[in-house]
Amino acid sequence: GAGVSQTPSNKVTEKGKYVELRCDPISGHTALYWYRQSLGQGPEFLIYFQGTGAADDSGLPNDRFFAVRPEGSVSTLKIQRTERGDSAVYLCASSLLHRGYEQFFGPGTRLTVL
Amino acid sequence: GIQVEQSPPDLILQEGANSTLRCNFSDSVNNLQWFHQNPWGQLINLFYIPSGTKQNGRLSATTVATERYSLLYISSSQTTDSGVYFCAVEGVTGRRALTFGSGTRLQVQP
Repeated sequence: GAGVSQTPSNKVTEKGKYVELRCDPISGHTALYWYRQSLGQGPEFLIYFQGTGAADDSGLPNDRFFAVRPEGSVSTLKIQRTERGDSAVYLCASSLLHRGYEQFFGPGTRLTVL
Repeated sequence: GIQVEQSPPDLILQEGANSTLRCNFSDSVNNLQWFHQNPWGQLINLFYIPSGTKQNGRLSATTVATERYSLLYISSSQTTDSGVYFCAVEGVTGRRALTFGSGTRLQVQP
């Protein structure tokens, strides 16, 4: 596609439920990133993929968060046993290659945990 | 990790005025980007500028890598320029992802 796409745009769930957020990067981009943005703050890094493997997952807050990119394109961020503190906008970005290349962001998924 | 500071945190302008936003960073970088986050939350790429000067219409940016700062200039501001401006950097060492500043919230009044 022309840009990074994310689905759903909004997700409302109940505390304790499982959610999946999807990111479709720009065609041909090998690097994919997930960030999280809380109200009034800048985005914060969660995880980065180079190809199919997670090259750096040091930003994931705990083991309830997991992400995959099985074919090196689309990625899914998975959150188990959601908590109210997980409420935020989850942003996905992609770049042609890693290390110093310009990143392009999707519109984000706004997650609300009730 | 690398630290990013933006100033001012808030800025109110009258339409037609000029402004300068500043981004200081704590280490050498191989990526520096300026973004505009619109009211719908979309991050719009303004400049990819790890060094040097670029211009795009009413906007221009300069990064002085040796002194670890970048400036974003907005000239003849319009109400559509309102929103939050973020500076984000990737350090030469450490994490291979962007670290964002806390942003400058710009409000342009008619």
